[in-house]
Amino acid sequence: DIQMTQSPSSLSASVGDRVTITCQANHEISIYLNWYQQRPGKAPKLLIYEATNLETGVPARFSGSGSGTAFTFTISSLQSEDFAVYYCHQYSKWPWTFGLGTKVDIK
Amino acid sequence: EVQLLESGGGLIQPGGSLRLSCAASGFTFSRYALSWVRQTPGKGLEWVSTIGIGGGNTYYADSVKGRFTISSDNSKNTLYLQMNTLTDEDTAVYYCARGLRWSDYWGQGTLVTVSS
Repeated sequence: DIQMTQSPSSLSASVGDRVTITCQANHEISIYLNWYQQRPGKAPKLLIYEATNLETGVPARFSGSGSGTAFTFTISSLQSEDFAVYYCHQYSKWPWTFGLGTKVDIK
Repeated sequence: EVQLLESGGGLIQPGGSLRLSCAASGFTFSRYALSWVRQTPGKGLEWVSTIGIGGGNTYYADSVKGRFTISSDNSKNTLYLQMNTLTDEDTAVYYCARGLRWSDYWGQGTLVTVSS
């Protein structure tokens, strides 16, 4: 199975901060990576698909980059509604696998 | 409006069986792949199974292969997950989600608790 290593596992930030999360795959996965946001008690929400594509309706402060084994997810200016857990997800090879998540909370 | 509504969760004893359903609306059901993803309370996400467009190919996580069966009924716009020989490690919230490579819509989840 492809292992997805997210870092950090948690971070504290303030509104307006720039936030960066990384995801490392232990095998080459090209651009076959998505990013999801999950707020407490809610289902995951797709933010970025195919490494860099912003899902319809998602604010432009969210972005993704990378290919191969190293990927980055960025929130350019953190808003109050962005405090949540973020997961990367690879679909290069079955079984699909998720990172363990990064919890973004208020400093 | 796209909606996915899971049902069928509950408390079940180890070794028991349960069938989850996911009723879909707001889109052409037969034109999409659908998946089940689960989340252990307080932990991360685990992909469980996917069924291809129109109920085609099926895929399973190793942890459920041979015990779980995914299926769909296009006449009822409903996705199913038959879960047999359940263990406490299957305790989780089970989500159904639309899409093959990425999931743009998710249900609200149904909780399965395996315990004696």
